[in-house]
Amino acid sequence: EVQLVDSGGGLVQPGGSLRLSCVASGFTFSDHYMDWVRQAPGKGLEWVGRIRNKTRSYSTDYASSVKGRFTISRDDSKNSLYLQMNSLETEDTAMYYCTRAPIVGSRTQFDFWGQGTLVTVSS
Amino acid sequence: DIQLTQSPSFLSTSVGDRVTITCRASQGISTYINWYQQKPGKAPKLLIYGASTLRSGVPSRFSGSGSGTEFTLTISSLQPEDFATYYCQHVNSLPITFGQGTRLEIK
Repeated sequence: EVQLVDSGGGLVQPGGSLRLSCVASGFTFSDHYMDWVRQAPGKGLEWVGRIRNKTRSYSTDYASSVKGRFTISRDDSKNSLYLQMNSLETEDTAMYYCTRAPIVGSRTQFDFWGQGTLVTVSS
Repeated sequence: DIQLTQSPSFLSTSVGDRVTITCRASQGISTYINWYQQKPGKAPKLLIYGASTLRSGVPSRFSGSGSGTEFTLTISSLQPEDFATYYCQHVNSLPITFGQGTRLEIK
């Protein structure tokens, strides 16, 4: 059974940092692209960024709203995905989900999601 | 960035009704569109990918269609467990974006 478990959220002051983790099981983690998606309280879904697999040199892409502040990384030996968030702003307050993003042909979809971890940026 | 506009944003409807949700893209995206269902306090779930392919295990009352800039998600006969918020998502290019969501509420 595919499972993604998000953790690491909490309360942080503006300008602070936080590192989120996502532990995967039930599939070959190293084969897959992985994405982060967030959802502010009462709002819609926002794509945060992607990390590709080793074949694609672990390359990353980010939404413009987080570029330069957030960094996605992975440790395939630990089946783990990370989101390092620096210079946090109140607008970053959200539930953060890791998602699996298999590429089928040239298409992708977010077929499995973590349960989410809540980040609150407030003084 | 490609913008997705869903309509309606909110729908008050009844069990057994047929419901159609529309998602319009700001530019042509072929069939690079997916649909998700989200219930309160839960992560979204993939329903349909590639505009019209039903994910394994998703009830056949859900269907998707469209290409280019206009897409629809149809629920043929609403069941009590279908009252939720639905999002379209384009995967034509980065950045990936989502529609603003359509919330279905029991009339």
